[in-house]
Amino acid sequence: LAKTTQPISMDSYEGQEVNITCSHNNIATNDYITWYQQFPSQGPRFIIQGYKTKVTNEVASLFIPADRKSSTLSLPRVSLSDTAVYYCLVGVPNTDKLIFGTGTRLQVFP
Amino acid sequence: GAVVSQHPSWVICKSGTSVKIECRSLDFQATTMFWYRQFPKQSLMLMATSNEGSKATYEQGVEKDKFLINHASLTLSTLTVTSAHPEDSSFYICSARGLWTALMETQYFGPGTRLLVL
Repeated sequence: LAKTTQPISMDSYEGQEVNITCSHNNIATNDYITWYQQFPSQGPRFIIQGYKTKVTNEVASLFIPADRKSSTLSLPRVSLSDTAVYYCLVGVPNTDKLIFGTGTRLQVFP
Repeated sequence: GAVVSQHPSWVICKSGTSVKIECRSLDFQATTMFWYRQFPKQSLMLMATSNEGSKATYEQGVEKDKFLINHASLTLSTLTVTSAHPEDSSFYICSARGLWTALMETQYFGPGTRLLVL
């Protein structure tokens, strides 16, 4: 399983765009990249998943360069409620498990 | 989106007792469910993988006789913490995997169960 590396923490202000980058140098050909959000005392919540290039949904965008050794989660115009821990995971469809790294603790200030 | 529930949401028990936590996929069938444990300010740690109708696969260092997992149906998995001790106090989270497209599968997580052992 590919190991992921993320910044431990990030700070931002309301209304700004936040980009969180995750490194996964050993990503395998069949691996997908998935991002989760977790608030205190809650289970993680799925944000977005992708394999290559760019994926966008109603809450975020995921940018994956051609070599797929990193990925960037982009949160447009964050609000205070986006304060949470964000996890980047790499895994193969149909694989048995996803391993959580340290995650990135995002703090949004007014 | 897919919904996974856990029951109870929190539990307090005396040392030496057993506690059962249920994990249910409410609107999809989950062939595989996962159990995690999370201590304060730490990341989720995978404890075991549970497949419907078969024995769970435990991660290294997790005692299978202490953390009993049963996956009786495609929508229900249970984790029983046997003879609980204060060091078992933690936040237990389950997740369920459902097939969403022909190529990609996504895990959805339950809200977690806070266990406090006195």
